[in-house]
Amino acid sequence: KAGVTQTPRYLIKTRGQQVTLSCSPISGHRSVSWYQQTPGQGLQFLFEYFSETQRNKGNFPGRFSGRQFSNSRSEMNVSTLELGDSALYLCASSLSRVVSYEQYFGPGTRLTVT
Amino acid sequence: SQQGEEDPQALSIQEGENATMNCSYKTSINNLQWYRQNSGRGLVHLILIRSNEREKHSGRLRVTLDTSKKSSSLLITASRAADTASYFCATDPGANSKLTFGKGITLSVRP
Repeated sequence: KAGVTQTPRYLIKTRGQQVTLSCSPISGHRSVSWYQQTPGQGLQFLFEYFSETQRNKGNFPGRFSGRQFSNSRSEMNVSTLELGDSALYLCASSLSRVVSYEQYFGPGTRLTVT
Repeated sequence: SQQGEEDPQALSIQEGENATMNCSYKTSINNLQWYRQNSGRGLVHLILIRSNEREKHSGRLRVTLDTSKKSSSLLITASRAADTASYFCATDPGANSKLTFGKGITLSVRP
C-alpha cells in the first residue's frame, strides 16, 4: 500500500502571500489530520477531517483553513502568510477516529516564509 | 497546550544500552501512542497501548501505562545507532477528540 503523500515537499513564500498544501491519505483511510511542527511549539494540531467534514479544529487563526474531498484527499490553505508560519506541516491519515487507530504520517511540507 | 509531557528532554546512550523515556499526561485517555521522528521527517507510529492495558511489547520496544499515575514509559532495549531520533508520546481522549502530542525526547545512540 502506498503511504501518505504530501505535495509539495518544500515551499518558499513571501509574507502576505497564500499557500495551499496537499495531502493524499493511504487508500481506504477516511480521516485526515493536519499538524504544524516548529522547534519552539512542537507539534500542534491544526484540524481533522472525516468524510469531508471538519471534526476538530486546533487553536489557529482563521487564516488557516482546510477541506477534504470525496476521495479523502485533503488540502490546507494559509492566507496572508506571516514569518511565524514557517514550519513543517504534517498530514496524517487513519482508518477512523471513532475507533482508536494509529495515525500514519506523510513526510511533511517544509514551508519557509521570507 | 501539550497533553503529554515527555522526560527527559534529551537522552544520550551507548549502542547496546537500554533507553527509557517517560510520558506524563493530565486528563483521562482512551489510549496512548508512541511515535518516532527522524530528523525533519514524518512521524512513524511505534506502538499503541489502550487504557485497559498495562504493558505491551513490540520487538525491542516495551511500553507500560499506569493510568492511576497518568504516566507511560517507553523502553528500547539493546539500542542501535539507527534508533537515534525524536520520540513523542500522544494521548487520545477517545472518539471525536484530537490526538495531542508532547514536545518529544531527543535520543542519541552513540556507536
